[in-house]
Amino acid sequence: DTAVSQTPKYLVTQMGNDKSIKCEQNLGHDTMYWYKQDSKKFLKIMFSYNNKELIINETVPNRFSPKSPDKAHLNLHINSLELGDSAVYFCASSQAGVGEQFFGPGTRLTVL
Amino acid sequence: ELKVEQNPLFLSMQEGKNYTIYCNYSTTSDRLYWYRQDPGKSLESLFVLLSNGAVKQEGRLMASLDTKARLSTLHITAAVHDLSATYFCAVVIPGTASKLTFGTGTRLQVTL
Repeated sequence: DTAVSQTPKYLVTQMGNDKSIKCEQNLGHDTMYWYKQDSKKFLKIMFSYNNKELIINETVPNRFSPKSPDKAHLNLHINSLELGDSAVYFCASSQAGVGEQFFGPGTRLTVL
Repeated sequence: ELKVEQNPLFLSMQEGKNYTIYCNYSTTSDRLYWYRQDPGKSLESLFVLLSNGAVKQEGRLMASLDTKARLSTLHITAAVHDLSATYFCAVVIPGTASKLTFGTGTRLQVTL
């Protein structure tokens, strides 16, 4: 049983397009996150939602818009994709408070 | 701004040898996590360290936390090839809604 799942696993698209990545967790956690891992493997948080409420919003271009329809799902929509958006995007979830974060398999986004 | 530094960034070691990876952070924190990432894969949680002096061990890996020195170590005992991966430490600043700030990562290569 997959704990944190993401779709798609790979995404190849042209500059200027709009794309979405979906994330679902079945761990019963109340907090979900999006992270970006760049080509140098550096990981940086982008957003976090707790019970559908945005609680962390790092300095991310407003072309990136997260949406949480319920506490088990967190989607990431990206408008007007740029070359620099190419990266691996990881979704994670945890229980607020002490919560160890569990990561999804990642979505490798390539913008051509 | 919290800075999390790991060293070394790259470590090549022979099977059977011992070594330590260091994680220094710049701001008070009482929560530190260690993750493992295999190439092209997700992040796997290894250890959660929640208090000063915490020590946890799993197989050939042992992690410790010194919150006064703002230092965590990941010690590898009698390395085996299967431990080859990138290891990340991640720190949470109190009151930041479980926002993880990751270290730079240490790429470990265990040679036969």
